[in-house]
Amino acid sequence: KAGVTQTPRYLIKTRGQQVTLSCSPISGHRSVSWYQQTPGQGLQFLFEYFSETQRNKGNFPGRFSGRQFSNSRSEMNVSTLELGDSALYLCASRSQGDTGELFFGEGSRLTVL
Amino acid sequence: KNQVEQSPQSLIILEGKNCTLQCNYTVSPFSNLRWYKQDTGRGPVSLTIMTFSENTKSNGRYTATLDADTKQSSLHITASQLSDSASYICVVSEGGGGNKLTFGTGTQLKVEL
Repeated sequence: KAGVTQTPRYLIKTRGQQVTLSCSPISGHRSVSWYQQTPGQGLQFLFEYFSETQRNKGNFPGRFSGRQFSNSRSEMNVSTLELGDSALYLCASRSQGDTGELFFGEGSRLTVL
Repeated sequence: KNQVEQSPQSLIILEGKNCTLQCNYTVSPFSNLRWYKQDTGRGPVSLTIMTFSENTKSNGRYTATLDADTKQSSLHITASQLSDSASYICVVSEGGGGNKLTFGTGTQLKVEL
C-alpha cells in the first residue's frame, strides 16, 4: 500500500510569489490535513478536508488556502509569500473514525527568500 | 484553551540507557492520545494510540502510559539505540466528533555512543 505522497519535496520562492503544494493520501483515506512545522513551533494545524469539504481550520491568515478533489488528493496554496512562511509543510491522511491513525507524508520544504 | 505540554524540551542519553518523556494536556473532552516519532527532515510516524480506557500500550522498546485522571502521559524508551535519536511528539485528540488534534512541541532526543 503506497504511503502519503507530497510534491514537491523542496522548493525555493521569493517574497510576494505564490506556491501550490500537492498531497496524495493513502488509497481509501478520505481525510487529508495540512500542517506547518517550523523550528521551535512544532506542528501547527492549517486545515483538514474530508470528502472535498473543509472540516476544520487552524488560525492562519487567508493567504493559506486548500482544496480537495474527488479522488481525495489535496492541494494547499500560499499566496503573497512572506519570509516567515519558510517551513516544512506536512500533509497527513487519516483512516476512518475518531481514533483513525494519522499517516504523514515526508513533507514539502519551502524556503522563501 | 486546549494545550499539550511536553518535557523535557531536549534530552541527551547514552546508547543502551532508558529514558522517559512526559506529556501533560488540558484537552477536553478527551478522545485519545498519540505519540509520534519524527526523524529529522521526515514526516512523523505513529508509535502508539491510547483511548481513555487504556493506561499502557507498548510498541517494541516503546511503552506509553496514560493517566486520564491527571491528564498525563509518558513515553518510556528501553535500551536506547542510536536510531532512537528523533523528535517525539505527543498529540491529543478532542472528543465530541470534532476530530480536532492538539500537538505538543515535541521532545528532541539524542542518543550518543
